[in-house]
Amino acid sequence: AQSVTQLGSHVSVSEGALVLLRCNYSSSVPPYLFWYVQYPNQGLQLLLKYTSAATLVKGINGFEAEFKKSETSFHLTKPSAHMSDAAEYFCAVTRASSASKIIFGSGTRLSIRP
Amino acid sequence: GAGVSQSPSNKVTEKGKDVELRCDPISGHTALYWYRQSLGQGLEFLIYFQGNSAPDKSGLPSDRFSAERTGGSVSTLTIQRTQQEDSAVYLCASSLNRGEAFFGQGTRLTVV
Repeated sequence: AQSVTQLGSHVSVSEGALVLLRCNYSSSVPPYLFWYVQYPNQGLQLLLKYTSAATLVKGINGFEAEFKKSETSFHLTKPSAHMSDAAEYFCAVTRASSASKIIFGSGTRLSIRP
Repeated sequence: GAGVSQSPSNKVTEKGKDVELRCDPISGHTALYWYRQSLGQGLEFLIYFQGNSAPDKSGLPSDRFSAERTGGSVSTLTIQRTQQEDSAVYLCASSLNRGEAFFGQGTRLTVV
């Protein structure tokens, strides 16, 4: 079985500060990992994905995430927060070896203080 | 169409009634997913279709929930004898094999 745990249901940072959203996964097989973002009153869209090509993955809007197998982590970071980054962020996992369902975490709401 | 389309966008129903939610995936996408998003909760997996394979129904919360996908395209999620706890946003997504999943805008279901 696969699962993801997002630490912190709500994270608040100041504009210009580092953003760090934590995600740990559990998988008995090699995983593919994703971060999705949901802006207020909008649908979910993909930020970035890890598909075993490179452990450091760069996504849209300056976000990046690093796959660390030893720590079973896939934390999302951005060096400098912008007001427009305020949204709900979801980490997700699926099997790398074959088509399978995508399992999402419970989400982290990111707030940006002026 | 250009994206995943879900209908209706909003549905209010009385407790005990049946409802059908529709999803039109992106043309050519082989995988289709249904999720439920409740206030303050994450995305709860419901069911997954992949090509002609048997669907993964492991996330359906009770036998009141069922889904089908006709002709490998349009999918319908049916909830029988709706309960108040079924109130949520139901999201559909589609993808090409193991690629990025594209989400629809969802159907907001309210059971009164």
